[in-house]
Amino acid sequence: DGGITQSPKYLFRKEGQNVTLSCEQNLNHDAMYWYRQDPGQGLRLIYYSQIVNDFQKGDIAEGYSVSREKKESFPLTVTSAQKNPTAFYLCASSWAGLYGYTFGSGTRLTVV
Amino acid sequence: GESVGLHLPTLSVQEGDNSIINCAYSNSASDYFIWYKQESGKGPQFIIDIRSNMDKRQGQRVTVLLNKTVKHLSLQIAATQPGDSAVYFCAENGGDKLIFGTGTRLQVFP
Repeated sequence: DGGITQSPKYLFRKEGQNVTLSCEQNLNHDAMYWYRQDPGQGLRLIYYSQIVNDFQKGDIAEGYSVSREKKESFPLTVTSAQKNPTAFYLCASSWAGLYGYTFGSGTRLTVV
Repeated sequence: GESVGLHLPTLSVQEGDNSIINCAYSNSASDYFIWYKQESGKGPQFIIDIRSNMDKRQGQRVTVLLNKTVKHLSLQIAATQPGDSAVYFCAENGGDKLIFGTGTRLQVFP
């Protein structure tokens, strides 16, 4: 079955550590996106990528980094510079153009 | 700037009734709109979409209405069921990405 997979489902990080969240899709989608969701809140765009080896900052990119070395993969690193990283992180992918996103099941990151 | 907003943060309906979730958008040039459903602890799921050359589109128990004159989008759910309880997001085409609204929580009570 085609889909988009996020791992791990739950992640705990100590303060000062970098952590990387995985996002893999086998839908052959061109574009991939990372969103952050805080409790009871909407979706805020962190980074997105339309093609391999290219990505753009979203609304809240500070403290995060990404790479897009393969079409299927778009990992997100939450760096120690992100002061409040505890949140639910969602990855999505889509065809280029006027199409909706397919979302992963999310990674819940908690700073301990 | 471009924005998508929702009128009601929480909507409570009785099981079996129809639900209407509203969304206002500000970019009159937007030509594609989507509704997503997000259950607790899960990723959003696509419900239905509509392009700007249409004013209505129906799915299974859901209907999306688009009023371009007043820049308003609505999602109608017929015969609301407990499984419909979730947060619903509207989104509009923002060029190279979707712009999401803040979401409406739908609560279904017996």
